[in-house]
Amino acid sequence: EVHLVESGGGLVQPGGSLRLSCAASGFTFSNYGMNWVRQAPGKGLEWVSYISSSSSTMYYADSVKGRFTISRDNAKNSLYLQMNSLRAEDTAVYYCAQRFAYWGQGTLVTVSS
Amino acid sequence: EIVLTQSPGTLSLSPGERASLACRASQSVSNNYLAWYRQKPGQAPRLLIYGASNRAAGIPDRFSGSGSGTDFTLTISRLEPEDFAVYYCQQYGSSPYTFGQGTKLEIK
Repeated sequence: EVHLVESGGGLVQPGGSLRLSCAASGFTFSNYGMNWVRQAPGKGLEWVSYISSSSSTMYYADSVKGRFTISRDNAKNSLYLQMNSLRAEDTAVYYCAQRFAYWGQGTLVTVSS
Repeated sequence: EIVLTQSPGTLSLSPGERASLACRASQSVSNNYLAWYRQKPGQAPRLLIYGASNRAAGIPDRFSGSGSGTDFTLTISRLEPEDFAVYYCQQYGSSPYTFGQGTKLEIK
């Protein structure tokens, strides 16, 4: 059974940094592209970033380009999202997703002073 | 960037009725890479349809997807109580992988 568990969320001040992690199990992690998707409170879904299985290709939404970095460690079955220069509008639940077929339960990031 | 517009914003129906949800893209979706999701309150989205018309694993056959190019439809043939939720379409044919704004399906 595919299982994705996000961690690393919390309260951070504007301009601060946070690193999210996603632990994967139940499938061959190194074979699949992975995504981060976020959802601000009471709002719709927003795709954030994609990384290919070998880390050779990465894409970002314009809203996070230059501030967020996606990465993965296939040996540890883990996906990461390094978030720098955080803004209030980055406040959201962040989901990792195996392509888009399987999703974790999300981790809440709150950017506030 | 491909903008997806979903309609209607809210759909009020009764259990057992048929629901049709629309998703229109601002430009053609590459390879018809269009997905539909259902999201219940407090839960992660669940993939229903991928590639415009393919049901995801474990999705009952009352869900069907159709369309190509710029116009897509999700049809739920007979609404069950658990179907009253928010539905999103998404294109994953070209980056950025955009979502529609959602359709809320509520009990009439």
